[in-house]
Amino acid sequence: EVQLVESGGGLVQPGGSLRLSCAASGFTFSSYDMHWVRQATGKGLEWVSAIGTAGDTYYPGSVKGRFTISRENAKNSLYLQMNSLRAGDTAVYYCAAAAGVIYWGQGTLVTVSS
Amino acid sequence: NFMLTQPHSVSESPGKTVTISCTRSSGSIASNYVQWYQQRPGSAPTTVIYEDNQRPSGVPDRFSGSIDSSSNSASLTISGLKTEDEADYYCQSYDSSNRVVFGGGTKLTVL
Repeated sequence: EVQLVESGGGLVQPGGSLRLSCAASGFTFSSYDMHWVRQATGKGLEWVSAIGTAGDTYYPGSVKGRFTISRENAKNSLYLQMNSLRAGDTAVYYCAAAAGVIYWGQGTLVTVSS
Repeated sequence: NFMLTQPHSVSESPGKTVTISCTRSSGSIASNYVQWYQQRPGSAPTTVIYEDNQRPSGVPDRFSGSIDSSSNSASLTISGLKTEDEADYYCQSYDSSNRVVFGGGTKLTVL
């Protein structure tokens, strides 16, 4: 059974940092592109970052330079380092695995507030 | 970059068929695969269609996907509607630089 379990969310002050993790199991992690997607309360899905099987990374303009995606295939793990956090980054963050079919985790809540 | 535009909401009765559209603003809809996600209230998204028209294991064949180059749009069709199909549905594709683009989402009400 495919499982993606996010962790590391919580309350952080504006300007602070947070590192999210996603533990994968039930599939060949190294063969999947991995994504982070977020959703603010009552809003739609917003893509945050992606990392390919070769380690190539992609970001939208809204997080480029502040967020860093990385993966550790030996640990079947995905990470998102978030720096210079803003109130607008408050959302549930989902990790997703893509290789044709796309699998989703259950999400972790990040709240940026003073 | 391009946008994917979906209707804000649709409604239909149980047992009927509903189609949700997803129109690409520029570039060909056929140039990158389209995915569809279902999100029930309080839950994470799940994939109902990938690569334009493929169903993941476990998704009933009441769900189908298609693309139409003439209207530059993708469609998700759900037949034999059930109350459990009531959810938000999002289309998604990629741009030429492998960046992900989501549609704004469509709220499906089954009444």
